[in-house]
Amino acid sequence: AQSVAQPEDQVNVAEGNPLTVKCTYSVSGNPYLFWYVQYPNRGLQFLLKYITGDNLVKGSYGFEAEFNKSQTSFHLKKPSALVSDSALYFCAVRDRFNKFYFGSGTKLNVKP
Amino acid sequence: EAEVAQSPRYKITEKSQAVAFWCDPISGHATLYWYRQILGQGPELLVQFQDESVVDDSQLPKDRFSAERLKGVDSTLKIQPAELGDSAMYLCASSATVAFSSEQFFGPGTRLTVL
Repeated sequence: AQSVAQPEDQVNVAEGNPLTVKCTYSVSGNPYLFWYVQYPNRGLQFLLKYITGDNLVKGSYGFEAEFNKSQTSFHLKKPSALVSDSALYFCAVRDRFNKFYFGSGTKLNVKP
Repeated sequence: EAEVAQSPRYKITEKSQAVAFWCDPISGHATLYWYRQILGQGPELLVQFQDESVVDDSQLPKDRFSAERLKGVDSTLKIQPAELGDSAMYLCASSATVAFSSEQFFGPGTRLTVL
């Protein structure tokens, strides 16, 4: 069965420091991986995706993610965090039936 | 920029009443999803449409929930009767299915409160 795990409910980081939000997945076949961000009382916004090719994927707002097939991970990263990055982040995997599976979310807190 | 539209944005109702939510996906997107998101949790798929056909409604509580997408464009999700435990954010999303590289695009959601 397909699944996504986000092991950290919350990540705290100081503004200007690098951030990492972790995600591991389980899927049969080729993984199609996504990161979304959600601000309070809003829908999810797409950040980036991995389909194939380079393991380091760059996305919106300076975010990037590293795909690691051997560790079945797809961690979200940013070199220098901003207070405005504080939000809820979701990792998702898409299966061959066009169905998406979401992780439980990680709340990112960036402190000034 | 094309967006997924949802209405209403907020709905307050009493238990045992009927409620309905509307979604208009991005033009040309054949796949439409309805999710329920409880505060602080990830979205949970309720129903998935491919054009006008339901392809997955295994998590839809069919005794009280129904969904339709009659012409394969916009969609309505209905709850009758509403229960206290239905209080949540209801999200609609759409995606193009031409290639697996396509991500989902989400609407702003409908926040339902059942009193």
